Formats: sequence, C-alpha cells, structure tokens
Amino acid sequence: GNSVTQMEGPVTLSEEAFLTINCTYTATGYPSLFWYVQYPGEGLQLLLKATKADDKGSNKGFEATYRKETTSFHLEKGSVQVSDSAVYFCALIRTQGGSEKLVFGKGTKLTVNP
Amino acid sequence: NAGVTQTPKFQVLKTGQSMTLQCAQDMNHEYMSWYRQDPGMGLRLIHYSVGAGITDQGEVPNGYNVSRSTTEDFPLRLLSAAPSQTSVYFCASTKRGTDTQYFGPGTRLTVL
Repeated sequence: GNSVTQMEGPVTLSEEAFLTINCTYTATGYPSLFWYVQYPGEGLQLLLKATKADDKGSNKGFEATYRKETTSFHLEKGSVQVSDSAVYFCALIRTQGGSEKLVFGKGTKLTVNP
Repeated sequence: NAGVTQTPKFQVLKTGQSMTLQCAQDMNHEYMSWYRQDPGMGLRLIHYSVGAGITDQGEVPNGYNVSRSTTEDFPLRLLSAAPSQTSVYFCASTKRGTDTQYFGPGTRLTVL
C-alpha cells in the first residue's frame, strides 16, 4: 500500500544551522508529494509540494526534491530560524473511491534555539 | 474569507456522552475531511466527503458519524465517547481538481 516514513524526532538545532528531515515513500505509480507544517497551537498548512520526478518544491527557504530513484522527498533548509520551530509532516496523495486522499508521515518536531 | 473554522477549540467529555464537532468552510470547496492527530501517529483520516450528500469512511471511522447536508458544513458526531477518542481533531477542505488541503485550527477533545 501507500505509506510515508519520515525521520523520528524531535530535532533540536541552533539558529542558522542546516536542517534535513528525511522522508521516504512507498506508492504505486508516481504520487504527488507534500510537506505540511504545523506551528504550535495551529492547524497544518502546506509548505511545499512536487508533482513529478525531479521536481523541486520550495517555499520560505525550505526545499525538497522528488527523487524517484530513491523514493525520497527530503526537506532541507540552509539556515533555520527560531520561527521555524514546528512539526513537519511529509505526505503523499493516493486515489481512493474516486477521490484523492492524503497519507501522512508521523511528523517530525523541530525546535530551533536562539 | 475565514477559511476553515472549527468549534469548539477545547472540549472535555465523560465516557458515554455524545457531542458534535463543527466544521465549516467558506471557500466553496467540494471535498472535506476529518482527521485525528495522536502523538507518534501522525494524522489519520476518519471520514471524508466529496460533495453535499456524499460521505465515506476513512482509515479510522469506528465511533464517529458524519453528514454533509450543505457544501459549507461537515459536522463530526461522537455518539458515545470513549477515552480512546481523546485526540486533536482537524477538519480540512480541498477544491476539486486541486491537491492542496486547507486545515482548520483543530479541536482538542479529552474523554475522561
């Protein structure tokens, strides 16, 4: 079946450090891939997405590249800020019952210290 | 636009009580979904709807009912609350033909 596996947290970094959160997926075909972010006390919001192999999604300094060969969609940021502290979810789209459903990883909590 | 709104923000129930979690969206989205978020489990789909009058089960539907009488509203009902339903509940909506889900702020439910 379709599934998403992302690195276990929590991750704690100092401000301006480099961030990588690993995400791999199992799916039939080539699903669209997403990163959602959940800031404290809020709902999830879309951070970036990629719809086909070799696509790079980017937003707010975060990037992720759709790697078909390694079935991966790792999230990276060159220099994190305290305001990036949040829970990050990797997800893919699958089709069920004629409509599309998001399948989420378990989430990775990031804390950035000043 | 208010986007996706959920009420209440917090709720405490006793085992066996019933309640309805409200969800509304003002974006005229066709698709709506309910998820629950538990520590270490990510988000799991409870029920979803592809339009008014149409609902279907997700991954963890037991103990929950839904209905979709209008495009805007998608309430989630707990008929007899159990401690295992202690969780944070998120409602989301999507416009047909797109793949971005818009989430509400969540309802934190505790069942004692």
